[in-house]
Amino acid sequence: GQNIDQPTEMTATEGAIVQINCTYQTSGFNGLFWYQQHAGEAPTFLSYNVLDGLEEKGRFSSFLSRSKGYSYLLLKELQMKDSASYLCAVRDSNYQLIWGAGTKLIIKP
Amino acid sequence: IAGITQAPTSQILAAGRRMTLRCTQDMRHNAMYWYRQDLGLGLRLIHYSNTAGTTGKGEVPDGYSVSRANTDDFPLTLASAVPSQTSVYFCASAAREGGYNEQFFGPGTRLTVL
Repeated sequence: GQNIDQPTEMTATEGAIVQINCTYQTSGFNGLFWYQQHAGEAPTFLSYNVLDGLEEKGRFSSFLSRSKGYSYLLLKELQMKDSASYLCAVRDSNYQLIWGAGTKLIIKP
Repeated sequence: IAGITQAPTSQILAAGRRMTLRCTQDMRHNAMYWYRQDLGLGLRLIHYSNTAGTTGKGEVPDGYSVSRANTDDFPLTLASAVPSQTSVYFCASAAREGGYNEQFFGPGTRLTVL
């Protein structure tokens, strides 16, 4: 079967760095996405990885290792507004997105 | 309209009733999707359409139907609602399937079936 695993909840301090991990087992791989979802709102796109390595975009970076079926999202200089759920999704061989259940990130002052 | 819209925002529905959730996008995207999101579960694909005139079944299609008569609109119909269809429903669109084409999401419809 297809499976995306990510921690259910994480807590971090304002100004710090946090790493949210995602492991996957899917039928085929055509890219990995990270989305941010604030409570009661729609998911919004953060990053896309299709090749191994690190993609940096401001305070956010995303890493991919296809051989290990592993990705992480790194958030630096945390701000209170970063409190949200972070969703990992893999595009499978049918070009459909398989979604993890999301990681709820709580930022404390 | 800017982006993707959904209607209604929320709805309480009696079991057995028919309901259509509306989704409209003005980005001229080819691909459109319907997901449901339940607490503790990831987004699950109900139906999708890669281009106007075509539709396909996702992971959880039973009890739902869709149509794609034109590029902009992708309505989702519950023929006879059941309590297990209580969920938040998101419509999404993408320029095309595949490639670096992220999905853009509508604001969601919160549906309660009693």
